[in-house]
Amino acid sequence: GAVVSQHPSRVICKSGTSVKIECRSLDFQATTMFWYRQFPKQSLMLMATSNEGSKATYEQGVEKDKFLINHASLTLSTLTVTSAHPEDSSFYICSAGGASRETQYFGPGTRLLVL
Amino acid sequence: GESVGLHLPTLSVQEGDNSIINCAYSNSASDYFIWYKQESGKGPQFIIDIRSNMDKRQGQRVTVLLNKTVKHLSLQIAATQPGDSAVYFCAENNDLASSGGGADGLTFGKGTHLIIQP
Repeated sequence: GAVVSQHPSRVICKSGTSVKIECRSLDFQATTMFWYRQFPKQSLMLMATSNEGSKATYEQGVEKDKFLINHASLTLSTLTVTSAHPEDSSFYICSAGGASRETQYFGPGTRLLVL
Repeated sequence: GESVGLHLPTLSVQEGDNSIINCAYSNSASDYFIWYKQESGKGPQFIIDIRSNMDKRQGQRVTVLLNKTVKHLSLQIAATQPGDSAVYFCAENNDLASSGGGADGLTFGKGTHLIIQP
């Protein structure tokens, strides 16, 4: 399958600061990228869907002003957690999707800890 | 909203034995299902998928069974190995949520922690 990377893999920040997480598809052009959040011992929950060059679509209950998504190219999407709080501490995972439903590849995840 | 769920949170299996992980889904419109393996601190890893026009699909040491009548999905792993220890998630989506045929956001089940005992 395709390779998707995330940076950073881990980040610790102070409450009130903003954190940017990058998601890159390294060997294919992703039509769509998805952002998921996973709390400890829980499942992945879809946060938002982003298409290159257009605004992201957020799932119900996800604040678009808090989780800013930018999808500037077919290989890069960024998620910015603004004014992070301890309850935002989680494992953030992106996936990159291609032209068919079968082509969706997950990144390794970013562990965010907000103190 | 509707969601995908699992029957067992933890499954312990002897090395070499077969394991079966189950998943119940409630969205009758779901027509595409995927099983993922997730090791601690890593992203999900694709194992096998199946479309709703099939009831069985086999891969290397894995088989997925789909029973649309009772909305049940299972993953069978043959001859389990220590490296199979992980959390397994089923995931689904449906054509109604599709945006032009490309990849869609997935709804994940709760996960089953598979433990392989030596």
